[in-house]
Amino acid sequence: AQTVTQSQPEMSVQEAETVTLSCTYDTSESDYYLFWYKQPPSRQMILVIRQEAYKQQNATENRFSVNFQKAAKSFSLKISDSQLGDAAMYFCAYAGFGNEKLTFGTGTRLTIIP
Amino acid sequence: KAGVTQTPRYLIKTRGQQVTLSCSPISGHRSVSWYQQTPGQGLQFLFEYFSETQRNKGNFPGRFSGRQFSNSRSEMNVSTLELGDSALYLCASSAGQGYYNEQFFGPGTRLTVL
Repeated sequence: AQTVTQSQPEMSVQEAETVTLSCTYDTSESDYYLFWYKQPPSRQMILVIRQEAYKQQNATENRFSVNFQKAAKSFSLKISDSQLGDAAMYFCAYAGFGNEKLTFGTGTRLTIIP
Repeated sequence: KAGVTQTPRYLIKTRGQQVTLSCSPISGHRSVSWYQQTPGQGLQFLFEYFSETQRNKGNFPGRFSGRQFSNSRSEMNVSTLELGDSALYLCASSAGQGYYNEQFFGPGTRLTVL
């Protein structure tokens, strides 16, 4: 069974600074997807960024980028130029190839300090 | 396109009762997945339906069941409610075919069992 671990229950960062959220996972599959989801206080889960395991290049989406280390089974999220709207719970998630089921980590609560 | 909708948004029930939650996916999406979110257990996968068939199932007791209709709308039912069933229930929809399908989440139904 796949597992996803987020070891930082809470993080805080000054507005406009950079913060990195950590995630490790365990799987025996060779093809899979990794995701970072954001859940603001309004509760609607939003996809932030995804990474295909077969791609060596790290995914980026504007201020969000990942550091994907397949051999180490590590998948961290870097948020640059943090904004107040980035405050939320961030979940790391795993999905097998062609599988809709998401396995989530326990989440990291990110606070932005003005 | 309208997003994923869930009804009702809030629900209060007592132990032993049963409850039915509804999820309407994004138009054209054929896959609907359900997740339970609690402070203690985090986000856990319940089941996924695709074209009216249960395609994947999580590790929940038989009191949790679901179904999907021909218009892709889905319902989940919990019978003989227990205090521990108090949670936020999220549904997510996706196209459901191919190697990767982005999942779009609804706002959730907050179930409180007294």
